Amino acid sequence: GAVVSQHPSWVICKSGTSVKIECRSLDFQATTMFWYRQFPKQSLMLMATSNEGSKATYEQGVEKDKFLINHASLTLSTLTVTSAHPEDSSFYICSARDPLGTPQETQYFGPGTRLLVL
Amino acid sequence: GENVEQHPSTLSVQEGDSAVIKCTYSDSASNYFPWYKQELGKGPQLIIDIRSNVGEKKDQRIAVTLNKTAKHFSLHITETQPEDSAVYFCAASPLFQFYFGTGTSLTVIP
Repeated sequence: GAVVSQHPSWVICKSGTSVKIECRSLDFQATTMFWYRQFPKQSLMLMATSNEGSKATYEQGVEKDKFLINHASLTLSTLTVTSAHPEDSSFYICSARDPLGTPQETQYFGPGTRLLVL
Repeated sequence: GENVEQHPSTLSVQEGDSAVIKCTYSDSASNYFPWYKQELGKGPQLIIDIRSNVGEKKDQRIAVTLNKTAKHFSLHITETQPEDSAVYFCAASPLFQFYFGTGTSLTVIP
């Protein structure tokens, strides 16, 4: 089956630093990737939709200058949390859509990255 | 935008019993409804999905039903096992984006 990886699986950083999270589709080419944020015992909140070679589309209320998304290739999307603060601490999950998959809407999720900002 | 509600938030059943989780959605443009299982500290795993042109789909012990007119869909797990214990999320999808419900923490008691 389709596999999506994320790196790192967890990261601790100091307030004010930037953190980059990678999302890779390992066995398919993902024209579209999605980034979600999940607080403890809460649902997944869509942050942005990333299309290869174009600018990401952010959901209402998500600061595009705070959460930089790059989707430079069909197998890699990155999320950079800039000038991280403790309130940015969360579980970040990416997903990828296989345009050749059945059904086309299916998203395959990565294992998530836990970010703790001190 | 799409708004998905999910009930119950927690559910405990005895091993072997059935579990039912219900979701409603608001956007009539949604045409794809997946269900995901998430274990602690892991990403969600797709367990079953249904498209709007189908009323019911079954895969072994898991089934999903969809009432497009009423805008609600349900997950049914029969003969529950302890390994079914996890958090389950429904989602509704218009135009390839997923909007998730609030999740149901299912505990199967041996």
